Amino acid sequence: DAGITQSPRYKITETGRQVTLMCHQTWSHSYMFWYRQDLGHGLRLIYYSAAADITDKGEVPDGYVVSRSKTENFPLTLESATRSQTSVYFCASNFPEAFFGQGTRLTVV
Amino acid sequence: GENVEQHPSTLSVQEGDSAVIKCTYSDSASNYFPWYKQELGKRPQLIIDIRSNVGEKKDQRIAVTLNKTAKHFSLHITETQPEDSAVYFCAASRGGGSNYKLTFGKGTLLTVNP
Repeated sequence: DAGITQSPRYKITETGRQVTLMCHQTWSHSYMFWYRQDLGHGLRLIYYSAAADITDKGEVPDGYVVSRSKTENFPLTLESATRSQTSVYFCASNFPEAFFGQGTRLTVV
Repeated sequence: GENVEQHPSTLSVQEGDSAVIKCTYSDSASNYFPWYKQELGKRPQLIIDIRSNVGEKKDQRIAVTLNKTAKHFSLHITETQPEDSAVYFCAASRGGGSNYKLTFGKGTLLTVNP
């Protein structure tokens, strides 16, 4: 199916574990983004990418790592998950008109 | 960097009334201003946008106005319906070059009461 998809949709992990959230788009958009959404904070940018092998830090990058070896994929890795990283994560592609994935609800216990 | 302030944080209206959500931005170089609607449990979706060379844009019951001098822009929804109930986000961007990110406001929860 064409579009932008995230996996998994829901994830529960333990503090200290590494977890990777996947994002895949079929439009061949150059730009891709990762946001986290928390009540009272809206959408905050974690990392973004203009093309394969080009990434930049956003507003809240600490504790996260990204890679972009292929245009269509933009995985987000939490190196050592903390409770403060419990959130809903959205991937988006295209700029300036951004299209969002369906989100991943991550709970760190 | 860019800072976007959005007001109010919650808004309750009666069906058929109008709703207005306002945003201010800090970066005078910003030139692209989208609005996203997010229904409960769903992804944000673009509903309307405006660029800095335009003062107003309409699409059926929704409209966006931009005042570059004052650095603020607003979303207007007329004849509100229960399905308009959602969280609305404004955003701002320079729209290109080395700065290709959107900065979002914190959102407005709109409730339309039947």
